[in-house]
Amino acid sequence: ELKVEQNPLFLSMQEGKNYTIYCNYSTTSDRLYWYRQDPGKSLESLFVLLSNGAVKQEGRLMASLDTKARLSTLHITAAVHDLSATYFCAAYLQGAQKLVFGQGTRLTINP
Amino acid sequence: ETGVTQSPTHLIKTRGQQVTLRCSSQSGHNTVSWYQQALGQGPQFIFQYYREEENGRGNFPPRFSGLQFPNYSSELNVNALELDDSALYLCASSRSGTRVNEQYFGPGTRLTVT
Repeated sequence: ELKVEQNPLFLSMQEGKNYTIYCNYSTTSDRLYWYRQDPGKSLESLFVLLSNGAVKQEGRLMASLDTKARLSTLHITAAVHDLSATYFCAAYLQGAQKLVFGQGTRLTINP
Repeated sequence: ETGVTQSPTHLIKTRGQQVTLRCSSQSGHNTVSWYQQALGQGPQFIFQYYREEENGRGNFPPRFSGLQFPNYSSELNVNALELDDSALYLCASSRSGTRVNEQYFGPGTRLTVT
């Protein structure tokens, strides 16, 4: 059974600082997704990572994938308040046709 | 391009009742997946529909059922509602057969069971 674990689950940081969210998954998956969710809202797609060593960047966010270590990271550079949200990673389980989500990381960025 | 839409946005039901939630997929997408997100947790996969048939199912009891229509829209039906069914229900549409197979989520339906 595919399990996805994120850490930390809660992260409070100051504007301007850098930090990394980690996403570990337990079995082979060929696709890893990152989503953002604002309170009471739906999921917004951030990144899709398809291969080992894949790196994608959008603004202050950068995601990477290491399929051998079964690890993905979401790095935040020089955080700003607008990035406050809950971030989810999800691994795709091919045979079951489903996304398996992590518990989410609630990120709060303080001025 | 029209995004994923869901209705209703909010719903309050009593334990034991039945509920139907609706989802219209994004233009060009042929697959719909449904997820349940309890407060403070990640979404949990309920099932997926492709070509009007169930194409994968998570660990949910049979009282959770669904349909997909020829226009790729979908319904989620829940019978005999329980208090624990209170959650945000998300549908996601995608285009099967693509390498990326990215799922685009609708705004969700918040169900409260009292």
